[in-house]
Amino acid sequence: ILNVEQSPQSLHVQEGDSTNFTCSFPSSNFYALHWYRWETAKSPEALFVMTLNGDEKKKGRISATLNTKEGYSYLYIKGSQPEDSATYLCARENSGGSNYKLTFGKGTLLTVNP
Amino acid sequence: EPEVTQTPSHQVTQMGQEVILRCVPISNHLYFYWYRQILGQKVEFLVSFYNNEISEKSEIFDDQFSVERPDGSNFTLKIRSTKLEDSAMYFCASSGTSGGFVLNEQFFGPGTRLTVL
Repeated sequence: ILNVEQSPQSLHVQEGDSTNFTCSFPSSNFYALHWYRWETAKSPEALFVMTLNGDEKKKGRISATLNTKEGYSYLYIKGSQPEDSATYLCARENSGGSNYKLTFGKGTLLTVNP
Repeated sequence: EPEVTQTPSHQVTQMGQEVILRCVPISNHLYFYWYRQILGQKVEFLVSFYNNEISEKSEIFDDQFSVERPDGSNFTLKIRSTKLEDSAMYFCASSGTSGGFVLNEQFFGPGTRLTVL
């Protein structure tokens, strides 16, 4: 995998459904994986930063896992609500250097129907 | 809660004109970034800035682009002679430190949508 890839590109679910999406990234020179939630006309909001293989993080109904050896992360939303509708972005941070730049995937657009 | 702010929210300009996009990072942060997203494409890194100098820039960040921290609060991105392909959403971000360690989390502003006609 050369780039950060996210799937699916978009997703429609019903209120109350649980859902998950995937972020795949190059595993070499990996330092950290970031998840952001981005609503239109607002700032992308940081959800999680994960660094260690096997990391699991949780914030309310949203959780994420990280596999650095195979280069993927899953984001889970339990009991989706209409206010969860947003684009979910993942970004990889490389190791080495002091620049801390993020390389983003294209995002997964989640729409939760009431 | 502290936040990154950006002005203007939308800028329309003619091709060849200079534009300055402004950002106020979170006050105690030390690392500053510009990213952009062309419609339908990925958010892409432009430049990072620390200790009053560029620490890394991407291939996109050519001689037409410059960044500056003119005072203790603002962080600006200047495009000297805009091209049609510069039309994008431009995001500013900042990150801080704790106990001498750089914190990973980057805080983003809401973006400036630049439209070049």
